[in-house]
Formats: sequence, C-alpha cells, structure tokens
Amino acid sequence: ETGVTQTPRHLVMGMTNKKSLKCEQHLGHNAMYWYKQSAKKPLELMFVYNFKEQTENNSVPSRFSPECPNSSHLFLHLHTLQPEDSALYLCASSRTLTGRYSNQPQHFGDGTRLSIL
Amino acid sequence: GQQLNQSPQSMFIQEGEDVSMNCTSSSIFNTWLWYKQDPGEGPVLLIALYKAGELTSNGRLTAQFGITRKDSFLNISASIPSDVGIYFCAGQTGANSKLTFGKGITLSVRP
Repeated sequence: ETGVTQTPRHLVMGMTNKKSLKCEQHLGHNAMYWYKQSAKKPLELMFVYNFKEQTENNSVPSRFSPECPNSSHLFLHLHTLQPEDSALYLCASSRTLTGRYSNQPQHFGDGTRLSIL
Repeated sequence: GQQLNQSPQSMFIQEGEDVSMNCTSSSIFNTWLWYKQDPGEGPVLLIALYKAGELTSNGRLTAQFGITRKDSFLNISASIPSDVGIYFCAGQTGANSKLTFGKGITLSVRP
C-alpha cells in the first residue's frame, strides 16, 4: 500500500469542465508537491506546499489551482484546460521541504492520468 | 538551471544479464536519488545517496555517488522481467536547492 494516494487514477474531461485531483499522504510528512509528467520530458514541478502553506508556484497557468487544507491533503483544481495539459499528474510528499536546507527524499503517488478532449 | 543527463533513452537486455545506467551533470550535486517507475504507477524511491564515493545496495541494485559529484551510477545484477520500467535519477546541488530530475531510461528485459 502506497503512503501517497491519488484519486482519481484516470480522468477524461472537456476543455470547459471543472474537476479536481486529490492527493492524501499517510506518512506524516510536512511538505507536498504537484508535478506534471509528460512523455520524454523530465518531471516538471508545479507547486510546493510546506505545513499547508504554498512556498512555490513554478509559473503555472491559473487554470490550475492548488489547495492544501492540511499537511496530509493536497488538491489540484482544474478548469478550462487545454489539450496540451493532458499528462500524468503526480503528487509527492517529503518529511521536510526539499531545498529548505533539507535533502529528504520525496515519495510519490501513482498519479492521475489526465486526458483533455 | 541544473540538468541531469540520462542516456540512452532505452536499453534492452536479456534476462539474467547485468546492466549499468549513469546520470551525469555539468554541476556538482550533493544528493543523488534513483527512482523506478512501473507502467501506470508513480516513481518509487530505490536508493538515496548523500556522500561522494558512497556505494549503497538495495537487493540486486547498487548505486554509487561519483567521486567528482557530477555523476551517479545504478547497477542492476542478474536482471529479471520485473526490472522492466523507467529509471530516473534525481539530485540536489545543495540542501537549499530544488530536486532536479533526469528524463529517465526505459529498461526492457527479454525473457
């Protein structure tokens, strides 16, 4: 059983729909991350949260809206997406914030495969 | 920014063979991580390295933190079909820096 759970596993939506991705971690970690994974490209960091406060937004378009109500849960709200947003969206967590004088490894969920029609 | 280079993109080996992958950069890293991603799943941490020259094993997997601190190697011995997947390296140039990922190497194992 993975310590980081993402739902749904697959999502197909039209460009005008609104949907949300959910991530939950059971590891007692304090930092959580959203990544976008596209074919043949390195993982792209999107957002970072530390103790439920956003610490990083990597120039992500506003059609992606993150929410972190507590250290164990992370959401990614989607609206008016574009076809190029189709990708695997991965959530990760780490005990302490990577890069805040910490090299704690990140643990990943299985991702949500998002397809935009 | 820092880049991690993994090549080739794909490797094909016979079951039972050993395989070695490397990850290189023009920048010095102080942390190296190796992840494996199975189809339809997220990356799973295999080995973490924190010290130049460090050699760490996890079953049939062995990873090394290069002496120059600009590279790392992952070796898989006596490969089996379930070793199939994408192997990513990741690293940090300093404790106050982001995690950088390579593009990954897709490993295929012929039975």
